[in-house]
Amino acid sequence: EVQLVESGGGLVQPGGSLKLSCAASGVSLSIYEMNWVRQSPGKGLEWVSYISSSGSIIYYADSVRGRFTISRDNAKNSLYLQMNNLRAEDTAVYHCTREHIAARIYAMDVWGQGTTVTVSS
Amino acid sequence: QSALTQPASVSGSPGQSITISCTGTSSDVGGYKYVSWYQQHPGKVPKLMIYEVNNRPSGVSNRFSGSKSGNTASLTISGLQAEDEAYYYCSSYTGSSTLVFGGGTKLTVL
Repeated sequence: EVQLVESGGGLVQPGGSLKLSCAASGVSLSIYEMNWVRQSPGKGLEWVSYISSSGSIIYYADSVRGRFTISRDNAKNSLYLQMNNLRAEDTAVYHCTREHIAARIYAMDVWGQGTTVTVSS
Repeated sequence: QSALTQPASVSGSPGQSITISCTGTSSDVGGYKYVSWYQQHPGKVPKLMIYEVNNRPSGVSNRFSGSKSGNTASLTISGLQAEDEAYYYCSSYTGSSTLVFGGGTKLTVL
């Protein structure tokens, strides 16, 4: 069974930093495009960032560009999200997602359970 | 990038068909075929139901179908069942190579 497990969330003060990790089991992520998607408590979904299978193509939402950095280590079968200069509005559950192999882009067929990030003083 | 517009709620009785709309612009929904739909039950992660406007991933019931006309995409669920009660989100690729989600629609099965 394919599983994505996020870690690294926690409580951080405004302006602080966190690095999220996503570890995969049951599948090699090396051929898959990946994303981070977040969901604020009781709210909808917000796409955060995309990275191609090789890591050579990266996209960010306007709300995080310049503050967040997505990366991957295919040898470790892992995805990362470095988050700097965090704001209260970044508070959310952050999900690591895998793209559907048959889709061109942005069709996420496997989701991790998420890790909670709370930005508060 | 503004969120796509979905109705806050829709409802239907078991056995009926319902349609959820997702309205964007020519820079997202209207301009590309990369529209997806997700189902999310409370406390669960989203599940991909439709991708590229009208394609179903393996294992998704054929009661779920997608379409698009102009700047509006639609998800139709036929033969409504109690287990279909959930939140549904649309998403679309944008001209900036980014992704935008809709605000979500709560489906209630009466």
